[in-house]
Amino acid sequence: QLQLQESGPGLVKPSETLSLTCTVSGGSISSSSYYWGWIRQPPGKGLEWIGSIYYSGSTYYNPSLKSRVTISVDTSKNQFSLKLSSVTAADTAVYYCDVVSPENGAFDIWGQGTMVTVSS
Amino acid sequence: QSVLTQPPSVSGAPGQRVTISCTGSSSNIGAGYDVHWYQQLPGTAPKLLIYGNSNRPSGVPDRFSGSKSGTSASLAITGLQAEDEADYYCQSYDSSLGYVFGTGTKVTVL
Repeated sequence: QLQLQESGPGLVKPSETLSLTCTVSGGSISSSSYYWGWIRQPPGKGLEWIGSIYYSGSTYYNPSLKSRVTISVDTSKNQFSLKLSSVTAADTAVYYCDVVSPENGAFDIWGQGTMVTVSS
Repeated sequence: QSVLTQPPSVSGAPGQRVTISCTGSSSNIGAGYDVHWYQQLPGTAPKLLIYGNSNRPSGVPDRFSGSKSGTSASLAITGLQAEDEADYYCQSYDSSLGYVFGTGTKVTVL
């Protein structure tokens, strides 16, 4: 059973780049037809899809964030990562890494989430 | 900005039936894309509750059921229990926006 674990700084300064990593266990990130991605949730608010990367390397981003987002995969470490540039206070949120399963097309597996605060 | 609209809250007494609506448009639910539902207990990550409009993952009680018609979908909880108190989100795909979520509904057990 796949498991995901987010890691990265909990505090980022305005205008800087937010960087998070998701470590995959229980399976290989490069051997399955999964979409690996990120979803965020500002405090007290709803869920927002950030973007996804297919195991082949193709990326898909939320149009509202596309200019600032990069998602990449490191197969040697069985990890994938998120970079969000030029952050503001509006980017303060819990960030979840996730997997879309080819079996059901839903966000089947979630990490526990990591809180990132943007503040000077 | 959510493109799928849900009621902010619903409530019911233990044992009752509650339903949560999810209203979309012709570019998402109405275009034929599947609707999925997630349950988020306080302080935890969302959990897949219903996939493909009406299918339950292994381990999800049959008290939870989903349906879809036209540009809308619904989640029903029958035999409401105290442990069902949580936030619920619908999710689909939009031809312009990619994956989209509903605004979320808080279920309160009276």
